[in-house]
Amino acid sequence: GESVGLHLPTLSVQEGDNSIINCAYSNSASDYFIWYKQESGKGPQFIIDIRSNMDKRQGQRVTVLLNKTVKHLSLQIAATQPGDSAVYFCAENEDNDMRFGAGTRLTVKP
Amino acid sequence: DTGVSQNPRHKITKRGQNVTFRCDPISEHNRLYWYRQTLGQGPEFLTYFQNEAQLEKSRLLSDRFSAERPKGSFSTLEIQRTEQGDSAMYLCASNEYVGRRGEQFFGPGTRLTVL
Repeated sequence: GESVGLHLPTLSVQEGDNSIINCAYSNSASDYFIWYKQESGKGPQFIIDIRSNMDKRQGQRVTVLLNKTVKHLSLQIAATQPGDSAVYFCAENEDNDMRFGAGTRLTVKP
Repeated sequence: DTGVSQNPRHKITKRGQNVTFRCDPISEHNRLYWYRQTLGQGPEFLTYFQNEAQLEKSRLLSDRFSAERPKGSFSTLEIQRTEQGDSAMYLCASNEYVGRRGEQFFGPGTRLTVL
């Protein structure tokens, strides 16, 4: 079936380095994607979104890249900080039906 | 705080008991969603409302699960005859529906433990 998933379950980076979190999706009809951050004991928090008519979108310290050819999504975090430590989910949103992947746990080492 | 709120934050119950969770969405949001999240997994969609109408409920996990949003504001999720497998985080989210897409704002969740 169709699914949204992530390549790696964990990622560890040094404070100040850039982080890249990847996501693969299989539904070629998907046209909207969102990255969420979830800290322990909290609900998911919106980071950035991208529509399928775009291949790149930038926010504050974050960039999302979309490669529709290979159905791949990535989240880049610049100058990673300890406060970025969390689980990151990509989600496919079709008519407000949000489907999440399993998540990647990002750990930032001081 | 004008975000999504959920109560209680934690619930411990014995197997076979009924539980009810409440979600208060952001006030101007017309859509409200319920998700379940188990450890190490992403949220799993259960159901959603537009105002008081429940537009999708086929993905509720069993007939023991039901949800209401009687006045189009707060919502409740009830689980009857709880089972140990129901132990999870139950998340609520809301948004103002605009076309096909829109960021959903999540509450902090209710963590259910069934003994």
